[in-house]
Amino acid sequence: ETGVTQSPTHLIKTRGQQVTLRCSSQSGHNTVSWYQQALGQGPQFIFQYYREEENGRGNFPPRFSGLQFPNYSSELNVNALELDDSALYLCASRGAGAYEQYFGPGTRLTVT
Amino acid sequence: SQQGEEDPQALSIQEGENATMNCSYKTSINNLQWYRQNSGRGLVHLILIRSNEREKHSGRLRVTLDTSKKSSSLLITASRAADTASYFCATRGDTGRRALTFGSGTRLQVQP
Repeated sequence: ETGVTQSPTHLIKTRGQQVTLRCSSQSGHNTVSWYQQALGQGPQFIFQYYREEENGRGNFPPRFSGLQFPNYSSELNVNALELDDSALYLCASRGAGAYEQYFGPGTRLTVT
Repeated sequence: SQQGEEDPQALSIQEGENATMNCSYKTSINNLQWYRQNSGRGLVHLILIRSNEREKHSGRLRVTLDTSKKSSSLLITASRAADTASYFCATRGDTGRRALTFGSGTRLQVQP
């Protein structure tokens, strides 16, 4: 088990709604990344935050947004949910200068 | 989009046998990492190999990297039922952000 926690574990939302997922990074890690993993696929990079600023983004639309807080915890917000947003959402943290990422257990989002 | 592909997509072996998984990628990399995921949970970092390394060992794991062929392999020796999981390779590019680009994974089943 890593020191990265995510909440909630599972979530069911309706198309068009908004959702906020939360992540608490491993102690001492100042960089957090969010990934979307569809069933049977590898994780896809959404964006990365370093010291409260977004410093990298994958091919996801602006309705996917995030925040990182001074204690390095973070949020992923998704507006106007679509059925294809149903997936496992993973956050991962790493320390300064490190390459290995430490993943949380994920939030399973189902959009109906 | 996925950076690379793992081969095979699925592998079933008996306990005690060796398991070999291959990964191909498309762009220049700084390093390549292998992660393990148990049934839809968070990913666990296994091993990292840098672009100037050709082989690396960690316990029962052996990783090779051939940058000329843009490919890597992960060998698990003397497999155990507890090794049953999905295995992903992930690359970090040699420029820009440090986010990882994952392959599509190999699902390994080790029969007791």
